[in-house]
Formats: sequence, C-alpha cells, structure tokens
Amino acid sequence: AQSVAQPEDQVNVAEGNPLTVKCTYSVSGNPYLFWYVQYPNRGLQFLLKYITGDNLVKGSYGFEAEFNKSQTSFHLKKPSALVSDSALYFCAVRGQIGGNTPLVFGKGTRLSVIA
Amino acid sequence: DADVTQTPRNRITKTGKRIMLECSQTKGHDRMYWYRQDPGLGLQLIYYSFDVKDINKGEISDGYSVSRQAQAKFSLSLESAIPNQTALYFCATSDQGTANTGELFFGEGSRLTVL
Repeated sequence: AQSVAQPEDQVNVAEGNPLTVKCTYSVSGNPYLFWYVQYPNRGLQFLLKYITGDNLVKGSYGFEAEFNKSQTSFHLKKPSALVSDSALYFCAVRGQIGGNTPLVFGKGTRLSVIA
Repeated sequence: DADVTQTPRNRITKTGKRIMLECSQTKGHDRMYWYRQDPGLGLQLIYYSFDVKDINKGEISDGYSVSRQAQAKFSLSLESAIPNQTALYFCATSDQGTANTGELFFGEGSRLTVL
C-alpha cells in the first residue's frame, strides 16, 4: 500500500529565512513524488515532481525538493521565504509500478511566513 | 475560464436531502477524480474514472455515487446527505500522459454543509 506522512501540521518561519516542509513516503518499488500548494479558497496547484534522475528537483515560485531514497523522504525547501508563500502544502506519492493507481496525499502542512 | 469547473461552489443543505456536485473540464483529459478535504485529514479519494465506461471506488466511497455522463463531465451525488459529509470537495483531472506520472489538475472546490 502507498502512504505519505507529513509529520508537521504547522510550520512557522520568518520572512527571508529558509523553509523546509517535511514528507516521507512508503510505496512498493520506485516512487513518483509530488508537491501541491493550496491557497485559501482555491484548489490545489502543482508545484513540482520527482520522476527519476537528479535528486534535487526545482519547481514553481523558487521551491525545490530533495528526493532521498534511503530515508524515503521528499522534503520541500525554499532558500528565502516570502509572506506570500503562506499556504497549505500537500505531498503526494504513487508507485511507478501498479499502472493506474491514483495519487495518495498526505494530510497537509500549513506554512505560515511571518513578516 | 477555468479548465476544471465545479458547481455549485457553495451549498448548504439539510440531513436526508439528495445533493449533486458537478464537474466539467475543457482540458480534454480522459481521467477524472473526486476528492474530499477535511481539516487535518488531507485529501481522500472518493471515486475515480479513467474513461466514460470505467468507474472505480476510492478509499471513502460509502454514501456517495458518481456518474460519468461524458468524457468532460463527472458528477458526484450524495443520495441522502448526513452532517459528517460536510467538507470541501474537489474534482481533478489527468490524462494518460500526466497520469502516468500522477500529475492532477484541480477545480476550485465545492464547499458542502449538511445541517
């Protein structure tokens, strides 16, 4: 079975500081990994994905994520946080085997960037 | 205009009433999904459809039904609404290309309150 854990319900960071939002996963075989962001009263928007290749993936709005196979993690990072980054962030996973299995989402982490 | 449109965006109803949430898409995608979002629980998959003749239950399908009227339309019904179905509901789409890597495109959500 596929699963995703986001161990922090809330992350607070000062504007200009680096941010990290944590995600660990469990799948059979190799994973496809995703980060989505949800702003208030909006649907989820795709940020970035890991499929294969370079473990450091760069995405929208200056975000990046690092795939670590040994730790089964895919943490979201940004070198310098902005107040406008405040939102709800979801990590998602599916296995590369198993054909049409839909994505499984984590419970979300609320990021608050304080000016 | 949004690529994935959900109607209604907000609905308040009473226990026992039948409710239909509608989703239409102009992305030309063959795969459509209904998710439910509850605070602290993240996104849970209700039903998904890979084409007009293919309907699959997700992890929380009890109390819900769906209809895929056309490639572009996927409706979610609550035959007899109950208060614990109060939630934010999202429709999402993907095609075989993006689905192969799991990327989803979300509507803006339908907020349902059952009194």
